[in-house]
Amino acid sequence: NAGVTQTPKFRVLKTGQSMTLLCAQDMNHEYMYWYRQDPGMGLRLIHYSVGEGTTAKGEVPDGYNVSRLKKQNFLLGLESAAPSQTSVYFCASSYGQERGPRMGTDTQYFGPGTRLTVL
Amino acid sequence: DQQVKQNSPSLSVQEGRISILNCDYTNSMFDYFLWYKKYPAEGPTFLISISSIKDKNEDGRFTVFLNKSAKHLSLHIVPSQPGDSAVYFCAASDGDYKLSFGAGTTVTVRA
Repeated sequence: NAGVTQTPKFRVLKTGQSMTLLCAQDMNHEYMYWYRQDPGMGLRLIHYSVGEGTTAKGEVPDGYNVSRLKKQNFLLGLESAAPSQTSVYFCASSYGQERGPRMGTDTQYFGPGTRLTVL
Repeated sequence: DQQVKQNSPSLSVQEGRISILNCDYTNSMFDYFLWYKKYPAEGPTFLISISSIKDKNEDGRFTVFLNKSAKHLSLHIVPSQPGDSAVYFCAASDGDYKLSFGAGTTVTVRA
């Protein structure tokens, strides 16, 4: 049981390049999330998904796109990278409503992170 | 505007003593609160949570206190151990399964 995994762990991009970050979870979680962590800002939600085939915008969605074609995978794409997107990106997953309301469904499990530098 | 605030960026405590981490929130709709712990180069891991129907939740050395009227919660670690040195994030939910995080407090436990 690997939990939540992210690839790649590190990446350096030039301004204008594109890339896709992959998140995979083996816990059969319904909900998945992408966050970015910047110094002094905590974790900010970029996009999230409440089930296969669904996506929704979070707090800071501009410049990012996501897809959830399979329940276990959640992809984060940068179409044209900018230096402002230099950050550490975390994926997370949670059970969602399957387990019923308030039964620990807000507990999110995080991946190890991807450190992205845009030059 | 950040709805969850951790006003102390860092905390240094001697091994064996109590660590107290504070968190304030502004959204009165928040009804579920969590603390996460993060080591360098790793993702955050869930530590302890509390529902708004309680004012205290305890799990071993970790206790979370909630004061709804003050919109304030705190995490107590007793006794503090070297392995507790990490960044601690406070998070809150208003029931829609998204979490709002604070900026984090870096705890250093001195031997």
